[in-house]
Amino acid sequence: EPEVTQTPSHQVTQMGQEVILRCVPISNHLYFYWYRQILGQKVEFLVSFYNNEISEKSEIFDDQFSVERPDGSNFTLKIRSTKLEDSAMYFCASADWGRETTQYFGPGTRLLVL
Amino acid sequence: GQSLEQPSEVTAVEGAIVQINCTYQTSGFYGLSWYQQHDGGAPTFLSYNALDGLEETGRFSSFLSRSDSYGYLLLQELQMKDSASYFCAGGYQKVTFGTGTKLQVIP
Repeated sequence: EPEVTQTPSHQVTQMGQEVILRCVPISNHLYFYWYRQILGQKVEFLVSFYNNEISEKSEIFDDQFSVERPDGSNFTLKIRSTKLEDSAMYFCASADWGRETTQYFGPGTRLLVL
Repeated sequence: GQSLEQPSEVTAVEGAIVQINCTYQTSGFYGLSWYQQHDGGAPTFLSYNALDGLEETGRFSSFLSRSDSYGYLLLQELQMKDSASYFCAGGYQKVTFGTGTKLQVIP
């Protein structure tokens, strides 16, 4: 069964550094998402991406964040100048055409900012 | 904006039935989804209600009443492996997750 994959599974970085989180969505899906989940809290929407551009973004997704689909398979989240409060689990998800409400999540990247 | 409220914790006995409620305030609503998340794991899609009424998928059923801004997830024949957090979610391109309900199934 096709699945969403994410790398790395864990990332430790120093405050102020840049990190890139990588995702490979399910191959025929057209909608891509990034979410974050601070430990013990709910899943928070960051951004959705369709047709090579951002569809929606939350108030969390400020100029510190950017997304890119550099090729036909990868979908990346870049966090510039990381802050302590960026420590969280980051999930990528994808959905098929016409089924945006049925999202398939990757296993997540646990980011720790020191 | 959107907000979806759920009870924080529910405990139920193995083999029993449990209902997890979700009340929401949202604009531009496109139906209600439900996700399961085990500790340390990723959310897994369970069901989606586009219209009012009941949707059944095996042991899980989900209900939506748009006029009442209310939905629920019904889990039947509870198993120990059902112990997890359950989230309702609404929205379309911008998805808002509910506050989450931690279900504990006890023997």
